[in-house]
Amino acid sequence: KAGVTQTPRYLIKTRGQQVTLSCSPISGHRSVSWYQQTPGQGLQFLFEYFSETQRNKGNFPGRFSGRQFSNSRSEMNVSTLELGDSALYLCASSKVASSDTQYFGPGTRLTVL
Amino acid sequence: QKEVEQNSGPLSVPEGAIASLNCTYSDRGSQSFFWYRQYSGKSPELIMSIYSNGDKEDGRFTAQLNKASQYVSLLIRDSQPSDSATYLCAVSEIQGAQKLVFGQGTRLTINP
Repeated sequence: KAGVTQTPRYLIKTRGQQVTLSCSPISGHRSVSWYQQTPGQGLQFLFEYFSETQRNKGNFPGRFSGRQFSNSRSEMNVSTLELGDSALYLCASSKVASSDTQYFGPGTRLTVL
Repeated sequence: QKEVEQNSGPLSVPEGAIASLNCTYSDRGSQSFFWYRQYSGKSPELIMSIYSNGDKEDGRFTAQLNKASQYVSLLIRDSQPSDSATYLCAVSEIQGAQKLVFGQGTRLTINP
């Protein structure tokens, strides 16, 4: 069974731009969670989607948004990029509940210049 | 108080010794506990899950859970340099939003 995939793997953007990241969960998994990880920081929870609905949300500004499609694929968008948004963005999928075992994708490394 | 706490390390262990990683959590209702390993620049990978009090062994790894004391630990026997990584503890949150809560991670270095 294929694992979680994320595209693109690397991105370089400038301040003020926006970016869209994509995540395809493991086949049959319906919950997708997004995390931000910066050097020295742990995993910061962004949000979780299930059945095309945002089920949980972390403490991030409204510039961070996401959505989920009927095939469980998910996208996250960051608008008006700031230097501090430079991070590894990780997507994780689980079968139903986000409190179930989560399997991570390889991540997208975003650099904001 | 953080929901899931880990010693950030770094924890340095000689090759062949036992590495012991600890994690405490605050939600008494938590039912699921996970250990992930993350190599530098890579994404976390699941090592073990544990749901019941006691020990669970998988190869060189042993997870230990004590719900009364609200701690979970990971023992790595016969540590190898390839075990050098950051280890993340994750606990299911029952109160409020039901999701996994991750600790900050413990950086482990195995010295040859």
